[in-house]
Amino acid sequence: GQNIDQPTEMTATEGAIVQINCTYQTSGFNGLFWYQQHAGEAPTFLSYNVLDGLEEKGRFSSFLSRSKGYSYLLLKELQMKDSASYLCAVRTGGGNKLTFGTGTQLKVEL
Amino acid sequence: DADVTQTPRNRITKTGKRIMLECSQTKGHDRMYWYRQDPGLGLRLIYYSFDVKDINKGEISDGYSVSRQAQAKFSLSLESAIPNQTALYFCATSESARVDGYTFGSGTRLTVV
Repeated sequence: GQNIDQPTEMTATEGAIVQINCTYQTSGFNGLFWYQQHAGEAPTFLSYNVLDGLEEKGRFSSFLSRSKGYSYLLLKELQMKDSASYLCAVRTGGGNKLTFGTGTQLKVEL
Repeated sequence: DADVTQTPRNRITKTGKRIMLECSQTKGHDRMYWYRQDPGLGLRLIYYSFDVKDINKGEISDGYSVSRQAQAKFSLSLESAIPNQTALYFCATSESARVDGYTFGSGTRLTVV
């Protein structure tokens, strides 16, 4: 089976930086995704890593270490609208089937 | 129009009733998926289809069935709804192993009373 772990909740201050961690145990790893989901809405794609290292996209960056089964999502210059759930998902095998973590609920405060 | 459309958006049904959730897409993607989302449990895969003739069970398929009527349509049925099937249901599509993963529909909030 597969196991994906994320913290349940995090709180951060507007303008600050926050790092959301994700650890996974899986076979046939073929990529890791981060999605953002506002309450009651559909998840939206944020980032994708398949090789080790850092991928940067504006205020969002994602890091992957395949040997450690570890990823993080880094959000800079936090804004109130970043309050949402952040989902880590792992793709395995040759298809495109994703297994999701339970998500990290981020609350951004003034 | 949305790329992935789910109907209905909200539904309340009684225990024992049959209900169908529908999903249609204009992305031209060959792969379609049904997930349910429950608080504290995340998104869990119910069924997935890689093309019209290919249907596969996910991790929680018991109590559900699906039909892939066309490349663009993938419906999920609850033959006899029960209260623990109360959840937010998402349909998603993808085109092979893309780097952006899935495109999700807006979800169907189903309540079984």
